Amino acid sequence: DAGVTQSPTHLIKTRGQHVTLRCSPISGHKSVSWYQQVLGQGPQFIFQYYEKEERGRGNFPDRFSARQFPNYSSELNVNALLLGDSALYLCASSLGVGNEQFFGPGTRLTVL
Amino acid sequence: GESVGLHLPTLSVQEGDNSIINCAYSNSASDYFIWYKQESGKGPQFIIDIRSNMDKRQGQRVTVLLNKTVKHLSLQIAATQPGDSAVYFCAEKTHFSGGYNKLIFGAGTRLAVHP
Repeated sequence: DAGVTQSPTHLIKTRGQHVTLRCSPISGHKSVSWYQQVLGQGPQFIFQYYEKEERGRGNFPDRFSARQFPNYSSELNVNALLLGDSALYLCASSLGVGNEQFFGPGTRLTVL
Repeated sequence: GESVGLHLPTLSVQEGDNSIINCAYSNSASDYFIWYKQESGKGPQFIIDIRSNMDKRQGQRVTVLLNKTVKHLSLQIAATQPGDSAVYFCAEKTHFSGGYNKLIFGAGTRLAVHP
């Protein structure tokens, strides 16, 4: 079975632009979580979604938003990009909100 | 506030030696901890976990020790191999009202295995 997939692999944007990152969970998984990993640091929690509803949000500004679709895939949107948004964005899927999370390879976002 | 940190940013070992990676956590209410391995260009990969009602858990070549008194975790890798070279993170699972949980990660330790 395929693991968690994310697209695109790499992305370059300029300050002020917006970006949409996509995630497809493992088949049968209904929960998706998003993490931001700045170079040299551990991942930081952004959102958790379950059954298309936001179940948790980390300490990120309102420029960050997400949604989950009926097929359980998810999008992370970031508006008004800042240089500091440059990071690896990781998606993790799990059967439910309390189950083991399986991570995708991430999307490397560079903001110039 | 909540934090999970690591004592050593880098660790260099000889192939065949045992490796020990340490981690401190600050939330004494945490009841579940996980070690992840992250190779270059990949997402974190689950290695082993431990619940707070345990002191030790063993896997294949890996052992996790939990000392709740001093809020300390360690990951021991036996007979370290070149394929073990990666960044290792400890993570703490925190539960919130509404049924969701998040993982709080430390900064990571880079393990470099030399032949």
